[in-house]
Amino acid sequence: DVKVTQSSRYLVKRTGEKVFLECVQDMDHENMFWYRQDPGLGLRLIYFSYDVKMKEKGDIPEGYSVSREKKERFSLILESASTNQTSMYLCASSRVEAFFGQGTRLTVV
Amino acid sequence: QKEVEQDPGPLSVPEGAIVSLNCTYSNSAFQYFMWYRQYSRKGPELLMYTYSSGNKEDGRFTAQVDKSSKYISLFIRDSQPSDSATYLCAMSGHGSSNTGKLIFGQGTTLQVKP
Repeated sequence: DVKVTQSSRYLVKRTGEKVFLECVQDMDHENMFWYRQDPGLGLRLIYFSYDVKMKEKGDIPEGYSVSREKKERFSLILESASTNQTSMYLCASSRVEAFFGQGTRLTVV
Repeated sequence: QKEVEQDPGPLSVPEGAIVSLNCTYSNSAFQYFMWYRQYSRKGPELLMYTYSSGNKEDGRFTAQVDKSSKYISLFIRDSQPSDSATYLCAMSGHGSSNTGKLIFGQGTTLQVKP
């Protein structure tokens, strides 16, 4: 059974904190993605990685960075969390069709 | 103009109805087409995956791709209240700039009433 695991289901962080969201996949997929999902805006791509240490900006990379040191792990970093980064964050991995984790609901207060 | 357009709905149907969900797209390089179902507060789950044009059937679900019209559809037969969810289309293609990169529609919210 395919599995994409996000480290937290719910997180509450303070404004200005550095936040790490971790994602691990067990399918040996080359591609990994971070999206955020907000009501009325759908899924928006933050960053995309197509290989270890390779990354590409998505549609909304500002305020975020990523790290992919190993094939199975893709981390999203909020350098200095702000209230407008309160959202549902979804990680996915793919060879062609993508498989998603359960999501992390992040609240920045 | 967005690369993938999907009517957000909401779409409300009675139990047992046939549901038709659609997406249009503008990028002729897209070759892989997917449909996802997302329940509230959960991650999207893959429902159907189609390569290039044609139909694919899986139980009550049928996916259709018409590349000449840049139009894809998902049909749900004998809809059930448990089908109530948001349905997202997604697509990707070949090429050095977009290999593996998925583009999603906004999602259509479906409610099936008992």
